[in-house]
Amino acid sequence: DIQMTQSPSSLSASVGDRITITCRASQEIRNAVAWYQQKPGKAPRFLLFAGSRLESGVPSRFSGGGSGTDYTLTITGLQPEDFATYYCQQYFSTPIFSFGPGTKVEI
Amino acid sequence: QGQLVQSAAEVKKPGSSVKISCKAPGDTLTSHAFSWVRQAPGQGLEWMGRITPSFDIAKYAQKFQARVTISADKSTSTVYMELNGLRSDDTALYFCARGGIMVGYMDVWGQGTTVVVSS
Repeated sequence: DIQMTQSPSSLSASVGDRITITCRASQEIRNAVAWYQQKPGKAPRFLLFAGSRLESGVPSRFSGGGSGTDYTLTITGLQPEDFATYYCQQYFSTPIFSFGPGTKVEI
Repeated sequence: QGQLVQSAAEVKKPGSSVKISCKAPGDTLTSHAFSWVRQAPGQGLEWMGRITPSFDIAKYAQKFQARVTISADKSTSTVYMELNGLRSDDTALYFCARGGIMVGYMDVWGQGTTVVVSS
């Protein structure tokens, strides 16, 4: 099975900051990575797929990148509503999936 | 995109089973795959398994292989997840999520169903 790790596990930031979250797969996943945002008690919100493609309706301050085993989610100009936990997910091994452990973005 | 509507919260005894439903809108069942993802209190997301209703094929995470069954009723546009042999550490919020048949990202999620396992 493909294992996913994320760093950092949490970070503190301020409104307007640029932050980057890193996700690492245990093997090459060829950009088959998605990112989700989750707020407490709510369902995850789908943000990006194929490493860098933004889902419709997601603000352009969110961007993704990476290749091979290492991928990033960047938020440029952090907004109050962006404070949440972010998860990466690999779907290279469809129909078997796995999530990263999450990164909590705090004020 | 449409909503996925899940069944109500459940309280179960250890050793029992729970079956949660997830109703999809219209005729989306046969054009998508549906995953179940759970989240224990204070923990991250854990993928449990997925069904492709158009082919009636279900795949499971190795951890849950022996205890979980995911099924679909195309006549009611409903997907089900049954978990057997419940333990206290199965207490969690369970989500259904829609994905593509050939791709695995999940673009639409249900609201979640809380399952509490307690004696």
